[in-house]
Amino acid sequence: DAGVIQSPRHEVTEMGQEVTLRCKPISGHDYLFWYRQTMMRGLELLIYFNNNVPIDDSGMPEDRFSAKMPNASFSTLKIQPSEPRDSAVYFCASSQTTGGFTEAFFGQGTRLTVV
Amino acid sequence: LAKTTQPISMDSYEGQEVNITCSHNNIATNDYITWYQQFPSQGPRFIIQGYKTKVTNEVASLFIPADRKSSTLSLPRVSLSDTAVYYCLVLRRGYSTLTFGKGTMLLVSP
Repeated sequence: DAGVIQSPRHEVTEMGQEVTLRCKPISGHDYLFWYRQTMMRGLELLIYFNNNVPIDDSGMPEDRFSAKMPNASFSTLKIQPSEPRDSAVYFCASSQTTGGFTEAFFGQGTRLTVV
Repeated sequence: LAKTTQPISMDSYEGQEVNITCSHNNIATNDYITWYQQFPSQGPRFIIQGYKTKVTNEVASLFIPADRKSSTLSLPRVSLSDTAVYYCLVLRRGYSTLTFGKGTMLLVSP
């Protein structure tokens, strides 16, 4: 497996524009996570899915953020409208829990810059 | 889940052994300890996990005392490429959510 694949790797957009980040998890993994990382706040969990169903979105900063997982091999994180404070690296991760233990695999991240 | 406390940063030189200690005083019976490593411009990567005593793999060793209120990640003979942020996490068995703290920034110098 190629690991967790995120696209794009870099995104520069103007304030007010819609941004869509994409993620392909590892085949067979039943959990998918979206994280955001900034220098100030570190790694924050935004939302996670189990078997394509959103379980906890309490980390989503506001209504401008939305995430979907239409099938087991694809998820999107959308920001509409984008603001400069959304600039960060966004990571997608997938995992499966085996014997009660979890190992998560992260993608390379999408570096978002909103100007 | 138990809150974790680890040093903000550590410095070392190539060839030295590095030990990073994490405190988790409120760890529960069903909790285990896991460590992740993050290089600049990359996502975190799993290093090692354990419940008690000692665990060793090709990358590191993890020492967990009997009371499990702390754990120590040991990196033998570090190299420049071990410069990274190291995160200690306490996870509940059967639950999959990973919550990251600030981590420990390890800087290895020549």
